[in-house]
Amino acid sequence: GESVGLHLPTLSVQEGDNSIINCAYSNSASDYFIWYKQESGKGPQFIIDIRSNMDKRQGQRVTVLLNKTVKHLSLQIAATQPGDSAVYFCAEERGKLQFGAGTQVVVTP
Amino acid sequence: DAGVTQSPTHLIKTRGQQVTLRCSPKSGHDTVSWYQQALGQGPQFIFQYYEEEERQRGNFPDRFSGHQFPNYSSELNVNALLLGDSALYLCASSRNAGDLIEKLFFGSGTQLSVL
Repeated sequence: GESVGLHLPTLSVQEGDNSIINCAYSNSASDYFIWYKQESGKGPQFIIDIRSNMDKRQGQRVTVLLNKTVKHLSLQIAATQPGDSAVYFCAEERGKLQFGAGTQVVVTP
Repeated sequence: DAGVTQSPTHLIKTRGQQVTLRCSPKSGHDTVSWYQQALGQGPQFIFQYYEEEERQRGNFPDRFSGHQFPNYSSELNVNALLLGDSALYLCASSRNAGDLIEKLFFGSGTQLSVL
């Protein structure tokens, strides 16, 4: 069946380095993707989104890249900070959000 | 501007009981979606409400039902609770934009424990 999944369950990053979180999707008809950040005890928080007519979008310290050819999505976080420690989900939306299992990002000093 | 608010924050029930969870959407939003998040997993879509009607439904049994009120707030009801219903229940709101998909804003969730 169709699925949205993440490659790595845990990513350890040193403070100040850049983080890259990857996500694979299998529904080639999907036209909208979102990255969410979820801190412990909180609901998912919107980070950045991208539509299928784009291949790159930048926000504040974050960049999302979309490669439709290989159905791959990535989130890049520049100059990772301790406050970036959280679980990151990519989600595919076709009327409803379909989430992957998430990647735990741990920022070390 | 209040975001999405959910109540209660925590709830403990026993098997076979019924539970009602509540959600108030973000100001200006008219669509409410409910998600179930088991520990260590991503949220799973339960259903979505718009104009007081269920517009879409995920792969959840009929024990899960909902309602949306004229003020756009919503309730999630679960009957005949099972141990496996223990999870974080998330409410998300958005603004209906026709065919244009808009991002969801999530509440902090209700942590339900079934004993």
